[in-house]
Amino acid sequence: QVQLVQSGAEVKKPGASVKVSCKASGYSLTSYNIQWVRQAPGQGLEWMGIINPSGGRTNYAQKFQGRVTMTRDTSTSTVYMELSSLRSADTAVYYCARDLGDFWSGYPLFDYWGQGTLVTVSS
Amino acid sequence: QTVVTQEPSLTVSPGGTVTLTCASSTGSVTTAYYPNWFQQKPGQAPRALIYSTTNKHSWTPARFSGSLLGGKAALTLSGVQPEDEADYYCLVYYAGALVCGGGTKLTVL
Repeated sequence: QVQLVQSGAEVKKPGASVKVSCKASGYSLTSYNIQWVRQAPGQGLEWMGIINPSGGRTNYAQKFQGRVTMTRDTSTSTVYMELSSLRSADTAVYYCARDLGDFWSGYPLFDYWGQGTLVTVSS
Repeated sequence: QTVVTQEPSLTVSPGGTVTLTCASSTGSVTTAYYPNWFQQKPGQAPRALIYSTTNKHSWTPARFSGSLLGGKAALTLSGVQPEDEADYYCLVYYAGALVCGGGTKLTVL
């Protein structure tokens, strides 16, 4: 069965970076895109960006450009989302989700989600 | 910057019908926005329900349906069950980006 398993909770200081992993199983990682979405405490969902694990192509939300980097390691079926220059407003649960569609043609199709990773930014 | 607006909260009686909507600041939501809908219960990850406006996933209960209504994307629940109490989010594609609505808290009472 398809699973996306994310890394554990992190506590970071302001100005630091965090790298969250998302390990795919039950299908070939390179077959579908992976999206990243975050949710601040008590707030709604916020799209961060997408990575195509096959070629590594990425597209980041304008808000995060310059601070976010999405990468993949096909040998371990894992994608990574790194967010730098952390501030308290980055405290949130970060989710990865599989996208069966074709984002670059304007066709998102989310199906399976990871369990989420809580990142807390605090001095 | 595109803003997607949903009803902050709605209440429905068990067995009733309710429609949640998703509006865009860019104008009418069309099929080209490829709306996705998600359900999220407290402490859980979102669960995908609808994609490309009307299409259901294999796990989506039959009582959930997606449509376009009056220039908005819509999610209708018919024959609401107590377990449908949750937050619901829409997500649309526009101009090379994805935008999520603020979510609707659905209470079944």
